[in-house]
Amino acid sequence: QSALTQPASVSGSPGQSITISCTGTSSDVGSYNLVSWYQQHPGKAPKLMIYEGSKRPSGVSNRFSGSKSGNTASLTISGLQAEDEADYYCCSYAGSSPVVFGGGTKLTVL
Amino acid sequence: EVQLVESGGGLVKPGGSLRLSCAASGFTFSSYSMNWVRQAPGKGLEWVSSISSSSSYIYYADSVKGRFTISRDNAKNSLYLQMNSLRAEDTAVYYCAREGDQTTVIPNWFDPWGQGTLVTVSS
Repeated sequence: QSALTQPASVSGSPGQSITISCTGTSSDVGSYNLVSWYQQHPGKAPKLMIYEGSKRPSGVSNRFSGSKSGNTASLTISGLQAEDEADYYCCSYAGSSPVVFGGGTKLTVL
Repeated sequence: EVQLVESGGGLVKPGGSLRLSCAASGFTFSSYSMNWVRQAPGKGLEWVSSISSSSSYIYYADSVKGRFTISRDNAKNSLYLQMNSLRAEDTAVYYCAREGDQTTVIPNWFDPWGQGTLVTVSS
């Protein structure tokens, strides 16, 4: 099972919005509404930000939102803040495999 | 407070074995599937294995199938990963993560995660 495709890096200024894409195939992202997103600060464990495509866990800011179109899922962060600077990973259920992660995206807040 | 604490990592020679443990607290351990996810130094996340609440459903990544064995002891609120025939490419921080969806036997989303334990495979 190949990893989901994410941009290596994205950047934005405080207050702006950014979107991180996560492209899979019809065997994973395209077939299931089971995409999750994780935030990871350096030296820390990953933290769940979005699950089942667009649901936000309790305690996660509503500045974070998720969506999906076809084989591509997206994470949007609005009103960018300095503490959002981190690595972000998408993840999808993939049937027989059954879990695949994206390669990760480094978000830089300028 | 939900807490997951991994242990058992360390330096091991290629071909060697290691057993990781994850102690869970703050929730009904026997009601949730559990997972191991690893991260090689400077690299991304890689799912390793999942086990359902009653151990009836077990899944492995192709990269570890036949070498790693996941297990759990619900009486001890503990998750384990027995790693045999270790290779240099198994060097990583290994995270224990609870399945977020209590109702499923398939790995869906992971929350929370432990702090991880480092496994280094080197001669």
